Amino acid sequence: QQQVKQSPQSLIVQKGGISIINCAYENTAFDYFPWYQQFPGKGPALLIAIRPDVSEKKEGRFTISFNKSAKQFSLHIMDSQPGDSATYFCAARGGKLIFGQGTELSVKP
Amino acid sequence: GAGVSQSPSNKVTEKGKDVELRCDPISGHTALYWYRQSLGQGLEFLIYFQGNSAPDKSGLPSDRFSAERTGGSVSTLTIQRTQQEDSAVYLCASSLEDGFNQPQHFGDGTRLSIL
Repeated sequence: QQQVKQSPQSLIVQKGGISIINCAYENTAFDYFPWYQQFPGKGPALLIAIRPDVSEKKEGRFTISFNKSAKQFSLHIMDSQPGDSATYFCAARGGKLIFGQGTELSVKP
Repeated sequence: GAGVSQSPSNKVTEKGKDVELRCDPISGHTALYWYRQSLGQGLEFLIYFQGNSAPDKSGLPSDRFSAERTGGSVSTLTIQRTQQEDSAVYLCASSLEDGFNQPQHFGDGTRLSIL
């Protein structure tokens, strides 16, 4: 019940396309849902976060969509760029942050 | 200002040896976290320090793992009698105050390899 399931494990997108990463959770007590971006050899960095009372949050090209009834949330990267190539982690707070398994995104020029 | 600093960046050691990993959090951050990241896996919570409160050690995988935080700043994660399954990247993060909804700022990790 403490798990956060993330998919896909890897994703290849053409430059200018939309990248979509999905996460699902079981614990309805989770109250904060951040996304982290990690480049090789670096630590994760907070990208964008949402609370469950909001259905969508947008920051630049990055959007979180949140479906409370389905217990799912997703990250959309619009106009994907080669510089977006990284590993993305979703997470959920339930006392402590529970991370998804990560999605390795590759944006082809 | 400086971010979270971890040392060493890489550590190779033989099975059975003890290792110490160091984390210098961002100045003024009262909360400090340790995570383990194995190949192809997400981040596994290990331990959490907040100010002078007793640490949350619920994520430590065995009694071979321990951590301390001296003076509310620098933290050391110690792994005794290392095993090959301990090979991973160990990440430290800090945040401004209590609560996991505060942004966590990560260091670049220590890549630990057990031969």
